[in-house]
Amino acid sequence: QSVLTQPPAVSAAPGQKITISCSGSTSNIGKNYVSWYQQLPGTAPKLLIYDTNKRPSGIPDRFSGSNSGTSATLGITGLQTGDEADYYCGTWDNSLSAGVFGGGTKLTVL
Amino acid sequence: QVQLVQSGAEVKKPGAAVKVSCKASGYPFIHYDINWVRQATGQGLEWMGWMNPNTGDTGYPQKFQGRVTMTRDTSINTAYLELRGLTSEDTAVYYCARCLSGTSFLEYWGQGALVTVSS
Repeated sequence: QSVLTQPPAVSAAPGQKITISCSGSTSNIGKNYVSWYQQLPGTAPKLLIYDTNKRPSGIPDRFSGSNSGTSATLGITGLQTGDEADYYCGTWDNSLSAGVFGGGTKLTVL
Repeated sequence: QVQLVQSGAEVKKPGAAVKVSCKASGYPFIHYDINWVRQATGQGLEWMGWMNPNTGDTGYPQKFQGRVTMTRDTSINTAYLELRGLTSEDTAVYYCARCLSGTSFLEYWGQGALVTVSS
C-alpha cells in the first residue's frame, strides 16, 4: 500500500491530453514539493517534473505539473506512442521522515 | 555528463547480505546526496534511504533500519548499499539516484542492479 495514491492506469489516443493524479496528505504533498518520474519498459526512472511544476532541461513543455492542497497532477499534452510508460509521483513525508512514492500509473497511448 | 554506474546482478541465498556499488562521474561527488530506491518485478518504487557523501550522514526509513547500511569511498567517487538478512521479498532491482542536499527529487539515476534471493 503506497503512501501516495495514483490511478493504476490511464489511456488516450495519440495527440490527446491526459492527467494523472497523485493524492497524499498534509504530512507529504501538503508540505513538500512533488516530483514526477517516467519509467519506460526495462529502464531506470527518469525525472520529468520537480518542485511540483518545474521541468529539467530537455523535458518538453508537453509535460506539466500542478498542485492543489494535498494532491498533485501530472499533465501530458500531444500524446505520442513514445509516452507509453509507467509514471510515478514522489515527495518527502515529514511524519515518516522518509521519501515516498505513488504506486505508479501505466499510460497506454491507443 | 553526469553518470551513475552500478555494479552487476547478484544472486544470494536467504539470510545472506548483498553490497551494491554506485560509481559517480561528471560532477563533484561530495556535493550531492545519493539515494537508494528499489523495485520488485512488476511493482512500484520503494525508497530505501539517503546518504550525504561529504559527511557520511545517512537516513533510513523505519522498515530498513538495522538491516541496511549506506557508505561511500570518496577517493573513488563510489557509494555503497549493503542489505543484510536477505529474504525472497528483497528480490528487486536496486537503483542509486542523485539529489541535491535538502531536496527530495532524484535527478539522475543509475542503471539498476538486479538482486535475486533464492535458495
